[in-house]
Amino acid sequence: EPEVTQTPSHQVTQMGQEVILRCVPISNHLYFYWYRQILGQKVEFLVSFYNNEISEKSEIFDDQFSVERPDGSNFTLKIRSTKLEDSAMYFCASRTSGVLYGELFFGEGSRLTVL
Amino acid sequence: GESVGLHLPTLSVQEGDNSIINCAYSNSASDYFIWYKQESGKGPQFIIDIRSNMDKRQGQRVTVLLNKTVKHLSLQIAATQPGDSAVYFCAENRGDHHLVHGGTSYGKLTFGQGTILTVHP
Repeated sequence: EPEVTQTPSHQVTQMGQEVILRCVPISNHLYFYWYRQILGQKVEFLVSFYNNEISEKSEIFDDQFSVERPDGSNFTLKIRSTKLEDSAMYFCASRTSGVLYGELFFGEGSRLTVL
Repeated sequence: GESVGLHLPTLSVQEGDNSIINCAYSNSASDYFIWYKQESGKGPQFIIDIRSNMDKRQGQRVTVLLNKTVKHLSLQIAATQPGDSAVYFCAENRGDHHLVHGGTSYGKLTFGQGTILTVHP
């Protein structure tokens, strides 16, 4: 079964450092998303991406965050200068095109710990 | 129902019992609802979805009920098994989809707080 894969599974970083989280969406999907989940809390939408540009972003997705699709398979989330409150599980998700209410497939997540 | 902060509602059942997990959603403009299961250390896993023009949908061992009048969603799991133990989230997708997003807004979900289901053998 096709799946969304994410790397790294866990990253520990110092406050102020840059972090890049990587995702390989399902190959025939065209819509990509990042969500995050602070420990014990609900999953929150960060950003959606389609046709090589951001479609929507939440209030959480401030200027410290950026997304990129550098090639035909990867989808990355960059946090330029990490803060303690960025510690969370970050989930990449993708869905196929042409389906009105198509299923959103999530990856296993990347746990980010900012010290 | 929903909770505030880190204290998730919990539901404990015996193996073989039926489970009912409830969710209240906030946006009357939402037109698509999904239940996700999240096991420890994993990403949300799709269980079942329902559109706002329906009030009931059945899957394998699961049924979702939607009451738009009171903005309530429930997930029923029949013959609950230990493997069903997880956190269950409802999610909603609001109806204001704009063509400019090319359909991406269908993947923008608002998640509920979650309910911890524990199934005892």
